Amino acid sequence: AQKVTQAQTEISVVEKEDVTLDCVYETRDTTYYLFWYKQPPSGELVFLIRRNSFDEQNEISGRYSWNFQKSTSSFNFTITASQVVDSAVYFCALLADSSYKLIFGSGTRLLVRP
Amino acid sequence: DTGVSQDPRHKITKRGQNVTFRCDPISEHNRLYWYRQTLGQGPEFLTYFQNEAQLEKSRLLSDRFSAERPKGSFSTLEIQRTEQGDSAMYLCASSTNRDAVPETQYFGPGTRLLVL
Repeated sequence: AQKVTQAQTEISVVEKEDVTLDCVYETRDTTYYLFWYKQPPSGELVFLIRRNSFDEQNEISGRYSWNFQKSTSSFNFTITASQVVDSAVYFCALLADSSYKLIFGSGTRLLVRP
Repeated sequence: DTGVSQDPRHKITKRGQNVTFRCDPISEHNRLYWYRQTLGQGPEFLTYFQNEAQLEKSRLLSDRFSAERPKGSFSTLEIQRTEQGDSAMYLCASSTNRDAVPETQYFGPGTRLLVL
């Protein structure tokens, strides 16, 4: 079975604080892909990043960074120096190589207060 | 704008009525997906098309739901005899399969359905 768990339902931080969103996944596939999407209040899911299971190199993009650890089945997302515009619901998702349907976690609502 | 588009963005209907939603994928994408998202949850897969062929339907898709993609371009999702439990956000996504690696799915803005 495949599953994605985002244990943090809601996080509230003050602007400029760093924040990490946790994602733990389960899959029996040896090849798989992990994603993060952002859903602002408008509702559209915005693609942020994709990671392949065979590439454990961490990635940084501006204020965003991602830490992929196969040993703990985790793919955590850190926002450095958070801004009010980062307020949204963030979803982690899993795609098995043998599949085409994304398995989403239940999301983490991030509120960045000025 | 060359992203995925969906129409309408919002739909309010009375229980028992039929509704139809439309999705226009990114133009070069041959794969199209429908997902449903209820409040406080992540999206759940409903169905998937490769070109005009519907290759999989989730068990979430009851007999009242039907999806089509007649010419391999836009897709429609119809719900017959709507029930209050159908109230949700219906999301469409598209992707390519240019090579053997699954491509990233890009989502549209969704259609928010409220059944009274």
